[in-house]
Amino acid sequence: QSALTQPASVSGSPGQSITISCTGTSSDVGGYNYVSWYQHYPGKAPKLMIYEVSNRPSGVPDRFSGSKSGNTASLTISGLQAEDEADYYCSSYTSTRTLDVVFGGGTKLTVL
Amino acid sequence: EVQLVESGGGLVQPGGSLRLSCAASGFTFSNSWMNWVRQAPGKGLEWVANIKPDGSEKYYVDSVKGRFTISRDNAKNSLYLLMNSLRAEDTAVYYCAKPIVPGTFDYWGQGTLVTVSS
Repeated sequence: QSALTQPASVSGSPGQSITISCTGTSSDVGGYNYVSWYQHYPGKAPKLMIYEVSNRPSGVPDRFSGSKSGNTASLTISGLQAEDEADYYCSSYTSTRTLDVVFGGGTKLTVL
Repeated sequence: EVQLVESGGGLVQPGGSLRLSCAASGFTFSNSWMNWVRQAPGKGLEWVANIKPDGSEKYYVDSVKGRFTISRDNAKNSLYLLMNSLRAEDTAVYYCAKPIVPGTFDYWGQGTLVTVSS
């Protein structure tokens, strides 16, 4: 069982918007603004899409946005494109020193 | 361009050992915390360990404490993970990852597969 809870799958049609949630606790998501989102294609290196809740690294389209409310963070992808189909993982820094980073279980995004 | 290239994975029997390496380039390795993250087949990502730039502090997930040792050689821009007493549940793709801020990784390697099986 992963420390952060994500839906196993979401889907949407090209051009639509989808939101992926990521629920943690006050010791991770709710306690810090070090929430990140990664896009992962099988066999490839994960790619950072969002960091510090809502910041986009250079080169990431502005169709990708992040937010947080309490212990739940969210990734929204607007104007869905076929190439967005991938696995998405959230992560958060955590205050438990025995565990530096916690990840969500991942969400498979299917573009219909 | 930042590059992280892992090597050393393979098939090992339960109870065996393996040493993973990660060759880093394109950034000042000696100034950066470094991490190992793994993904078991069909599972999500799991943080494994990290190490301070000078190697003086190391942290591990509970499931590998006492079995895995993270280390680094700043002169060779290399990160290592020595894995002893391997178990079937250690089977995973192991990634080295560079943090940009606490708990956030801006660069990852392609990963190296470790399979623990008899």
